[in-house]
Amino acid sequence: DAMVIQNPRYQVTQFGKPVTLSCSQTLNHNVMYWYQQKSSQAPKLLFHYYDKDFNNEADTPDNFQSRRPNTSFCFLDIRSPGLGDAAMYLCATSRAAGPSADTQYFGPGTRLTVL
Amino acid sequence: AQSVSQHNHHVILSEAASLELGCNYSYGGTVNLFWYVQYPGQHLQLLLKYFSGDPLVKGIKGFEAEFIKSKFSFNLRKPSVQWSDTAEYFCAVNANSGGYQKVTFGTGTKLQVIP
Repeated sequence: DAMVIQNPRYQVTQFGKPVTLSCSQTLNHNVMYWYQQKSSQAPKLLFHYYDKDFNNEADTPDNFQSRRPNTSFCFLDIRSPGLGDAAMYLCATSRAAGPSADTQYFGPGTRLTVL
Repeated sequence: AQSVSQHNHHVILSEAASLELGCNYSYGGTVNLFWYVQYPGQHLQLLLKYFSGDPLVKGIKGFEAEFIKSKFSFNLRKPSVQWSDTAEYFCAVNANSGGYQKVTFGTGTKLQVIP
């Protein structure tokens, strides 16, 4: 089945140790998103790629970076994780236009623990 | 900037009871509206959406939602809930923000259905 895949599902890192989360999709969607979701809170958009164009949210800390080497893959890099960065990180995709554009398809998420 | 409010954080119902989850948004322009559901241990998935046309939208598993523009609301309803509806429900709004389409999520409502 076409889907959005996130690896790993659970990631443990140490305070200040860089970590990379991975997302891949087989939907061939133009747009890929990264969200941070903390317990009992709404998913918070960090940034998104429209094809190769990177769009950062104004309040996303500089500590968070992203790479999209091709249509299928997108990475979230946290350069120096702090305790406050422990959260579920969700990847999503959508078409840019046409029927069902803007409907987002989510991956299962990666739960990040910072020790 | 748009925002989404879900007033019920935790709802407990018995099977066969009727459900209504509130969602209000703030945005003055044209919006697309969504309800996403997250079943225990699973990823977020689309339940239903409103783009245009009939303001009463029917989704999967007997859910429906009504868009009331004058009230900036998009409440989710189901006449008779089942135990399998136990999940977290997120309302979301897609609107133009800073020149691109942005989805904003509510904080979610946890529904627990008691057999």
